[in-house]
Parts: sequence; C-alpha cells; structure tokens
Amino acid sequence: ELKVEQNPLFLSMQEGKNYTIYCNYSTTSDRLYWYRQDPGKSLESLFVLLSNGAVKQEGRLMASLDTKARLSTLHITAAVHDLSATYFCAVDMYEGNTPLVFGKGTRLSVIA
Amino acid sequence: EAEVAQSPRYKITEKSQAVAFWCDPISGHATLYWYRQILGQGPELLVQFQDESVVDDSQLPKDRFSAERLKGVDSTLKIQPAELGDSAMYLCASSALFEQFFGPGTRLTVL
Repeated sequence: ELKVEQNPLFLSMQEGKNYTIYCNYSTTSDRLYWYRQDPGKSLESLFVLLSNGAVKQEGRLMASLDTKARLSTLHITAAVHDLSATYFCAVDMYEGNTPLVFGKGTRLSVIA
Repeated sequence: EAEVAQSPRYKITEKSQAVAFWCDPISGHATLYWYRQILGQGPELLVQFQDESVVDDSQLPKDRFSAERLKGVDSTLKIQPAELGDSAMYLCASSALFEQFFGPGTRLTVL
C-alpha cells in the first residue's frame, strides 16, 4: 500500500523564522506535488516536482525532491502570517495519469 | 483562466436523504476525479473517469455512492442514502496530462 507521510503535522512558528516540512513516500514515483489549503477552501497547487533533484521556488517557499531517498521538503524562509495554511504533499498512485495519494497535511500557523 | 466548477458549494441534508453533486472540469480535460476529504485529513480518491469510462472506483462505497460522466464532460456524484459519516468536503479535479486542478469543493453536512 502506498504511503505518504508528512511531518510535522502541526507547526507553529514565529514570523521571520525558517522551517522545513518533510514528506516521505513509499513508491518509486518521480513526481511529487505540493498543495496549499486555506480553511474551508479547496486545494491550490504550489509546486509540481518532476524528477530527482528538482528544486522549485516561489516567494518564501522552496520545494525539493530526492527520489532516491523518497523524500521531498518544503522550506519556508522568513515566515509571514499570510503563509498560515495547511500544506499537503501528494504522489501519483501509479504511473501515468493517475489519482493522487495525499499525506495528512501540515497545519502551519505563523504568529507574530 | 479556466477553472473546475462545482455545485453546490454547501449542502446540508438529513440522514437517509439523497444528495447529488455536480462537477464541470476544465475544457478539454479528459480525466476527472472525485475525492473526499474528511476534516483534518488529506483527500482520498472516490472515483476516476477517463472520458466517460470509469478507470478506478475501488474506493467508492457502491452500496450508497454512484458517479457518472455520461458525455465525457461534466460529472455527477450521488449519495443515497446519506449517513452521518459522509459529512466531508467533496472535491472534483481534472487533468489533461498529469497535473490535477481542483474545483472549490462541496461541503456536505449530514444531520
């Protein structure tokens, strides 16, 4: 059974600090997705990582993928309150155009 | 910008009633997914369509849930009868290649 594990599940951090969210998965998938979800809202695509060593950055968020370690990280730099949300990583269930298997999510709260 | 449309956005129903949700994918997207997200958890697949055909419905509780995509465009998900445990967000997503785009979701509350 494919498993996607995120940690931490809850993260409270001060504005201006840095932190990393980790996503481990159990398949040999070469693709990994990061989504953001605000309370009561749908999923917003943040990053699509397509190969080993892929690194993408948008604003204060940077995501990377190590397919050999089956690990992705989402690094937050100098956190601001607007980043408060739940972040999900997901991988393809199979190869090709397939459903996603999601982690449980990391609920991030940025406090002043 | 093209978006996935869903309706209704919110639905409150009583236990044992029937409910239906509608999804209109991004134009040209052949693959459509329905996911269920229970509060505090990640979304989980209910059913996947490729055009009008069901590709994967292994996680769909078929005794009470049904899904169709008759013309390979929009899709309907039905629950009959609804149970208390069905309270969740129902998300529709579509894709052309592999990246999935999600609609706003339908928040279902069963009383």
